Amino acid sequence: ETGVTQTPRHLVMGMTNKKSLKCEQHLGHNAMYWYKQSAKKPLELMFVYSLEERVENNSVPSRFSPECPNSSHLFLHLHTLQPEDSALYLCASSQAQGSAADTQYFGPGTRLTVL
Amino acid sequence: TQLLEQSPQFLSIQEGENLTVYCNSSSVFSSLQWYRQEPGEGPVLLVTVVTGGEVKKLKRLTFQFGDARKDSSLHITAAQPGDTGLYLCAGADAGTYKYIFGTGTRLKVLA
Repeated sequence: ETGVTQTPRHLVMGMTNKKSLKCEQHLGHNAMYWYKQSAKKPLELMFVYSLEERVENNSVPSRFSPECPNSSHLFLHLHTLQPEDSALYLCASSQAQGSAADTQYFGPGTRLTVL
Repeated sequence: TQLLEQSPQFLSIQEGENLTVYCNSSSVFSSLQWYRQEPGEGPVLLVTVVTGGEVKKLKRLTFQFGDARKDSSLHITAAQPGDTGLYLCAGADAGTYKYIFGTGTRLKVLA
C-alpha cells in the first residue's frame, strides 16, 4: 500500500466508448503523474500536474484528456481509443515536481484493454 | 532522445545465486533511481543515487552509480524467490529533473 489508489483496476472498452480512470493520493503531495506502461516499451510519462496545473504534456493524443480538480485527485478521460492504447496506466504522486531526488509513489495501475 | 538500456532483459536463476543488472545511457543524469515492480502492482522505489561513484546497500542489494553519472548497476547477493519481479532504473534529466525510465529487467528466482 503506497498511499496512491487507482480505480478501476481493470477496464475493457470498445473503441467508441468513453470512460475515465481515477487516481487518488493520500500522501499530501503536490505533484501527480500519469504514465503508460506497454509490454514492449519503457514506462512513458504522459502528463504531469503540479499544484493542480498541468506542467507537462508529452505529445499525448487528444483522445486522452487529463483532469486534476484538486491536489489529491487525478483523472484520465478516455474516448475513441485505439487497440494500441491497451496498456497498464499508472498514476504516481510526489511531494514536489522538479526535484532531483524526489520520490514518486506509484499506484497499482489500471489494466486497460481496447477492443 | 535520452534512452536508458537495461541488460539483461530477462534473467532466470536459482535461489542462492548472485546476479547483476545494468542500466546504461549516453546521457548524464542528475540522479538515478531503481524500482521493483511485482505483478499487479506499480513500481516501488528501492533506492536513489545522486553522486557519481556512489554505492548504496539495501540488505542483499548493492547499487552503484557510475563515476560519469551515465550508468548504474544493481547487484543481488544470494537471490531469493521474493526478489522476483521487474527491475526498472530511472534517470533524472539534469535540466528538467524529469525521470526517464529504462527498458526493464525481468528477474525470476526459482526455489
